[in-house]
Formats: sequence, C-alpha cells, structure tokens
Amino acid sequence: GQQLNQSPQSMFIQEGEDVSMNCTSSSIFNTWLWYKQDPGEGPVLLIALYKAGELTSNGRLTAQFGITRKDSFLNISASIPSDVGIYFCAGLRGGSNYKLTFGKGTLLTVNP
Amino acid sequence: DADVTQTPRNRITKTGKRIMLECSQTKGHDRMYWYRQDPGLGLRLIYYSFDVKDINKGEISDGYSVSRQAQAKFSLSLESAIPNQTALYFCATSDRPGQGGGTQYFGPGTRLTVL
Repeated sequence: GQQLNQSPQSMFIQEGEDVSMNCTSSSIFNTWLWYKQDPGEGPVLLIALYKAGELTSNGRLTAQFGITRKDSFLNISASIPSDVGIYFCAGLRGGSNYKLTFGKGTLLTVNP
Repeated sequence: DADVTQTPRNRITKTGKRIMLECSQTKGHDRMYWYRQDPGLGLRLIYYSFDVKDINKGEISDGYSVSRQAQAKFSLSLESAIPNQTALYFCATSDRPGQGGGTQYFGPGTRLTVL
C-alpha cells in the first residue's frame, strides 16, 4: 500500500536540542496524525490535525498541517531523554475515512 | 484504566496451533482494527470492522480471521499459526467519520512468537 515519505529515518541528538521531522505525500489528506511508539508498546497519539494550515501544540510538541494538504511536520523543543522512541506520521483521506496511511517512522535517540 | 486493552501481551506458540488474540475497548467507538507490525515494514492492516455486523479484509488477511462479538470486543484468530506470523499485533479503534472521527487509538500490543 501507499506509504508516506517520512524523514529523517533516524536522529541522534543531545538533550536540550530541538528536533524536527516531516512527512510528505503526492496525495491530499484531510487529517494528519502524529504518534509516538515506545519499544514493545502501541503507538500513542500525540497530535491530530484536521484543517490545512492548522498549527497545534501539545506541551513541547508542535505540529502543522501543510497548506497544500500533502505534508505535515512535527517539532519537539528542548528534548529530554524520555522523548526517545519512534515517531510515526499517519494520514487519512476523505471518503472512506477509515484507512490510515503510515510513514515508516523516525527513530529518535536523545543522549543525556 | 486503559481505553484499549489487548490480551495476551505476549504469547509463544508452535507451528500449527490455533491462537486467539483479544481486544476490548471502553471508548465507545464503533470501528475496530487489527494491525501487525514487522521491522522495516511498518503497520499493516489485517482486518477492520465498522460495527458488530460488519467485517472487512485489510491488506494482509490471508491466514487470519476475526470475530466482532460486541461493540467493545474484536478478536483476531490464527487458525494454524506459522513462523512468518511472528510479529507485534495491535488493535485500534476509531469513531465514525466526521471531525476527528477517523483518528485511531491503539492498544498496547501483543507480541506473538511462532516457533
């Protein structure tokens, strides 16, 4: 099935640094979702975006729904060790509105 | 308490055995999904259900079956497990279409190993 292009695939940063990751697609999506997955656990919803241009924050996390509806980014400010994990983007189209299209994930490692 | 629960959390079984993975939710959502996750392949949809009487195949349904016993319960069965079904399995739920309705919420997962 179609995948979203998520980058970077992995990041290794120092505690306190800011992080940015993004997802792009050749198709339009009506909803963009960002999840975080810890090893051996299920994806946990971080931020949901429902309107083009929408900018939403959740604590140190900020995500934006691209104006073209074909992309989204997630920023993490002042990273801490517990930010370690895999971050996934996912998109929903209109119409059937059931099938999530996932990015392959960004593995974030934070060095204390 | 968690909104979406899965049992068991870990299971080791042998080739040819029948296995059932169970999912329960307290979110009151109509829609439920089963995914498997493999390294490098991401999350792939196995089956989904929009209500108690509705069952649909996903991308990789061969070798699996499901049962929607109630709005809150959706189980996944492997009739005759094989080693390449070793994976992490996740259940998810979502509300009906509409603003925010497509957002899916995942359970904690079941790690299944088939020897």
